[in-house]
Amino acid sequence: GDSVTQMEGPVTLSEEAFLTINCTYTATGYPSLFWYVQYPGEGLQLLLKATKADDKGSNKGFEATYRKETTSFHLEKGSVQVSDSAVYFCALKTLGRLYFGRGTQLTVWP
Amino acid sequence: DAGVIQSPRHEVTEMGQEVTLRCKPISGHNSLFWYRQTMMRGLELLIYFNNNVPIDDSGMPEDRFSAKMPNASFSTLKIQPSEPRDSAVYFCASSLTSGGESEQFFGPGTRLTVL
Repeated sequence: GDSVTQMEGPVTLSEEAFLTINCTYTATGYPSLFWYVQYPGEGLQLLLKATKADDKGSNKGFEATYRKETTSFHLEKGSVQVSDSAVYFCALKTLGRLYFGRGTQLTVWP
Repeated sequence: DAGVIQSPRHEVTEMGQEVTLRCKPISGHNSLFWYRQTMMRGLELLIYFNNNVPIDDSGMPEDRFSAKMPNASFSTLKIQPSEPRDSAVYFCASSLTSGGESEQFFGPGTRLTVL
């Protein structure tokens, strides 16, 4: 079935470090891919998306590229900030449904 | 826009009691989704509606759970009777459509504790 696997956390980084959170997916057809972010006590917010192979989604310095050949959608940011501390979810959408990964907790220290 | 509104934000109840969670989607959105988030299982889709009609309820755990959408601006998720294993954060989300590019907007969630 359709599913998403993302790297286990927690991830702890110093401010200005480089971030990568790995995400791979299994899907029939051609899903859209998403990264959502959840701050403490809040609902999920869309961070970025890509709807077809080789598309790059980007927002707030975060980027992810839809790689069909490796079925991956890794999240990257060149220089993280303390305010980026949150839980990040990779997700795929197919036939109207979103399938989420387990989430990766990111903590950034000053 | 006020975003997706959920109530209550927190609910503490005793096992066996009925619990009703409420959701008001963003005006003009035609799709509504109910999710459950737990440490054990992560984020799971329970049910979703298109134009007030339930489309996929395969994620509803068992008959104790029911969801309704009587009109385009209101939905409820009911648990009767509640059990301690139902303790979780329940999110409602809405989107313009259920299509691939349509963004889902999430509410702040209801944290349910069943004692």
